[in-house]
Amino acid sequence: SYQLTQPLSVSVALGQTARITCGGNNIGRKTVHWYQQRPGQAPVLVIYRDGNRPSGIPERLSGSNSGNTATLTINGAQAGDEADYYCQVWDSSTVVFGGGTKLTVL
Amino acid sequence: EVQLLESGGGLVQPGGSLRLSCAASGFTFSSYAMSWVRQGPGKGLEWVTAISGSGGNTYYADSVKGRFTISRDNSKNTLYLQMNSLRAEDTAVYYCAKGDGGVSFDWSLDYWGQGTLVSVSS
Repeated sequence: SYQLTQPLSVSVALGQTARITCGGNNIGRKTVHWYQQRPGQAPVLVIYRDGNRPSGIPERLSGSNSGNTATLTINGAQAGDEADYYCQVWDSSTVVFGGGTKLTVL
Repeated sequence: EVQLLESGGGLVQPGGSLRLSCAASGFTFSSYAMSWVRQGPGKGLEWVTAISGSGGNTYYADSVKGRFTISRDNSKNTLYLQMNSLRAEDTAVYYCAKGDGGVSFDWSLDYWGQGTLVSVSS
């Protein structure tokens, strides 16, 4: 079965740029979505189809996908960005989530 | 405004059954695929199952295949998850989520409910 690999944790200083990766075999050939989950809350879609932002998601968040790695980039990280982030793809008619990355804003 | 409201969670013994419901509003329910995603205590997201807008196509994770059944009643704007032969490892918060309407297998889950807790324990 297809696997997505994310770092367990990423730390970023306030106002700096955080990059959260999602690795998978030829993931660049797949469509990647990203979700943010704040503690105690339901997940929220923040990036769809590799690099598109739903309405209401700040431009500070962006996504890219190429080769074996998809990346969620958060520019000018804020305290409110502290959350778990999950990447997601479809494979063989099933949904696959990455293990999730905890973003800490220092 | 899209709203998804899950219900039906609770404590059940191993081997027991439970049916979850998800009441949807704010969009044309029958036009969108829907999905159930769960999250065990302290764990990540795990996809469980999905169903097409018409209900004619269903998809399952291997971990629940043969035990769980997804269905929908488009006249009632409601999604269901029938869970049988429950195990301790099925303990989780269960979220229903709306597909974004994409064609083929590339759609995202653009709206999520707040979840309902299922605990499987004797």
